[in-house]
Amino acid sequence: ETGVTQSPTHLIKTRGQQVTLRCSSQSGHNTVSWYQQALGQGPQFIFQYYREEENGRGNFPPRFSGLQFPNYSSELNVNALELDDSALYLCASSESDKRETQYFGPGTRLLVL
Amino acid sequence: GENVEQHPSTLSVQEGDSAVIKCTYSDSASNYFPWYKQELGKRPQLIIDIRSNVGEKKDQRIAVTLNKTAKHFSLHITETQPEDSAVYFCAASLVNFNKFYFGSGTKLNVKP
Repeated sequence: ETGVTQSPTHLIKTRGQQVTLRCSSQSGHNTVSWYQQALGQGPQFIFQYYREEENGRGNFPPRFSGLQFPNYSSELNVNALELDDSALYLCASSESDKRETQYFGPGTRLLVL
Repeated sequence: GENVEQHPSTLSVQEGDSAVIKCTYSDSASNYFPWYKQELGKRPQLIIDIRSNVGEKKDQRIAVTLNKTAKHFSLHITETQPEDSAVYFCAASLVNFNKFYFGSGTKLNVKP
């Protein structure tokens, strides 16, 4: 196993609610990226955090926001949940001098009813 | 932004045969192309990658080729085994690796 952990493993929310997902990066990794993977699809890049700042962002609306903490763990927050937000949310961590090599966590499966 | 297309969506081969999965990308600035394997219910795992200054890379039964001019890259698996059965994703990234774009995946089924 790679050492990247995510919590919770599963989550059920209703439309309009807010959710916070958490990711602990692998030891020594200071870069965290978040992805949304809908069923049967490839991961879609949400954003990347490096040294506590957003370092890159994909085509997701502002209601998707994040944080990175001094210990390099990270949170993904989604406000005003929509049914289409139901997906597997993956985080991936990497080292600053080898950011191309990403190690994925097991994911959080979110169901929005 | 970058757009990565992947074909085929499903691929079924006999054990021992070869499998080829193809991807195209749209942004000529992309210069890093990883391939991931995702088994059912598990996290994606990097299996091989290639940078734009290299045309081909091999690792045992797996190889990746890149054609920068045509903007396409391919994954080749030789002597397939049942444990190769999984979903494979290609991806592309720009030089600073702050954005990754994934293909839609290929479900490979290796029949014993």
